Amino acid sequence: DAGVIQSPRHEVTEMGQEVTLRCKLISGHNSLFWYRQTMMRGLELLIYFNNNVPIDDSGMPEDRFSAKMPNASFSTLKIQPSEPRDSAVYFCASSFTRRNTEAFFGQGTRLTVV
Amino acid sequence: DQQVKQNSPSLSVQEGRISILNCDYTNSMFDYFLWYKKYPAEGPTFLISISSIKDKNEDGRFTVFLNKSAKHLSLHIVPSQPGDSAVYFCAASAQGGSEKLVFGKGTKLTVNP
Repeated sequence: DAGVIQSPRHEVTEMGQEVTLRCKLISGHNSLFWYRQTMMRGLELLIYFNNNVPIDDSGMPEDRFSAKMPNASFSTLKIQPSEPRDSAVYFCASSFTRRNTEAFFGQGTRLTVV
Repeated sequence: DQQVKQNSPSLSVQEGRISILNCDYTNSMFDYFLWYKKYPAEGPTFLISISSIKDKNEDGRFTVFLNKSAKHLSLHIVPSQPGDSAVYFCAASAQGGSEKLVFGKGTKLTVNP
């Protein structure tokens, strides 16, 4: 298996533009997590899905952020409109929901909003 | 409110010596704990974990210790190697890991040759 695949790896956009980050889960996994990494806050959970259903979105900063799982193997994180303070590395991770299991991370998308 | 805390942002050790990375948590519902390692420009990769029913788990050079009463865990790397230089994240989860992972801010380990 190729692991969790994120695209793009790097994104530079202008303030106010819409940004869409993409994530392909590991085959067979049924939990999906979006994390954001910044120097100030470290790795913070934005949202997580289980069996395509959003379970906890309390970490989503504001209404400008939205996440979807159109099918069991794919997710998008959209920021509209983007702002410079959204600049960060965004990670997607997936796991299979069972006891004592780890989540597998993608390589991340480095977003820069200028 | 940080539920998982790694109070040392960085640690430097000599090759061959022991590295000890520490982590504290506040949520008593956490029952599964993990350590991840992260190299620059890569995603975190799973290193080792421990369930709350244990107080120690060992995998090669890596050992994780859990002190539930103190809400403290530590990762020991013996012997440390230059390739171990990375950022180490402590993470915790409830319900045996089927709930979301909450991460600490990480400790940057540098192993000097």
